[in-house]
Order: sequence, then C-alpha cells, then structure tokens
Amino acid sequence: QQQVKQSPQSLIVQKGGISIINCAYENTAFDYFPWYQQFPGKGPALLIAIRPDVSEKKEGRFTISFNKSAKQFSLHIMDSQPGDSATYFCAASNEGGSEKLVFGKGTKLTVNP
Amino acid sequence: DAGVTQSPTHLIKTRGQQVTLRCSPKSGHDTVSWYQQALGQGPQFIFQYYEEEERQRGNFPDRFSGHQFPNYSSELNVNALLLGDSALYLCASSFGTSYNEQFFGPGTRLTVL
Repeated sequence: QQQVKQSPQSLIVQKGGISIINCAYENTAFDYFPWYQQFPGKGPALLIAIRPDVSEKKEGRFTISFNKSAKQFSLHIMDSQPGDSATYFCAASNEGGSEKLVFGKGTKLTVNP
Repeated sequence: DAGVTQSPTHLIKTRGQQVTLRCSPKSGHDTVSWYQQALGQGPQFIFQYYEEEERQRGNFPDRFSGHQFPNYSSELNVNALLLGDSALYLCASSFGTSYNEQFFGPGTRLTVL
C-alpha cells in the first residue's frame, strides 16, 4: 500500500520557470513532510521540510505548501536552474522525522537552459 | 564534520550468496536507518537501530538482518541473495528517536547476478 503518492513522474521546465511537484498522503498520523533531492549515483539530500502546524515554508527558491485538510503538500521551485535538474522525492513520517520515512516514487526534473 | 559514510560503494554478488554492508553515522548521531532503493523508485524502509536494538522494521523478509555497534555504526546483512535484491542500499542517521531529521549516506550499489 503506497501511502504517499507523488506527481508528476517527470517534469521539464525552462530556465527561470517555476517547477511544481505534488504529493498526497493517507496516514493522518504523519507529522513531518520533507522533500529530498537526489542526483544520479548519490544519496538523497534533505532540501526542505515542513510540519503540519504551518501551511507554508520558504527557503530561498524552494517553497513547501501544505494543506492538512486535503492531505496534500507540494514543492515549488522558483527561478528553476539547470543545476536543479535531479530527482525529487517527497516523504512523510511520524515523530517529526525520526520514525521511518515513507517516500513517494519520485519526480525527475529537467531544467532546460 | 564527516557526514554519513557507507562501504563499499559498489558490490557484485551471485544468487544465494550473503552480503554485509556497513554504515558510519554522522558525528553526534546515534540512530541508524536502512533503506532499499530499487532503480527508478523511492527508498523503502528496511529497519532502524537505536541503542543497539532494532527499533522498527519495514516489510522485508528475515533474510535482511542488521546490527548496531556501541560506536553507533551499523551493518546490514542480506542472506540467500535474490536477483530482486539488486538495488541501492541507503543508510540514514539521526539523533534520538523523536523529532530529528534523517541524513542519508551515498549508498552502496548492490548487483546480484
């Protein structure tokens, strides 16, 4: 049973554009929602994370929007750059991130110059 | 400050063999989690170790076992390897068991022939 559904599977944007990746979860006990960035041959790197007491968190060009009632959250990458080309994973867990992370299937982002 | 380190980087085994993967957590971290990432998929939780005990376990068979040492480093053992065990095995470390982020290592790429 997949508990975190991620879309789209792949995304192509032009340099300077906005990349938007969406995730939906089922388990209402989740209380921590991170986004990871993974380059080929590397492990996932934590990009930004949110807890359900806020509806939005911004760090630089990256913003998480969180809708608790809809059980959805999304990643927005503003002014997308070719260096942002990577696979992005949303995830969810209990206990603020210390419990097991349940990952989405990933979105391969390509930013064209 | 060294991050999470894993060894070896790559490994090739044949069906039926046994394999041991190793992980050293980030300095100051005492909790280690293992994930399996099949090609094109998100990481899947195998188990988590804290205070040298298995604290949580995902939906993996008993062929997958682990250990945590007093210095917090950890091993993942897989017996009777199957072709389907070919994957990137990721180790993540965190501090304690509540409200702390997990940081991933670069992974060990296991190929089973």
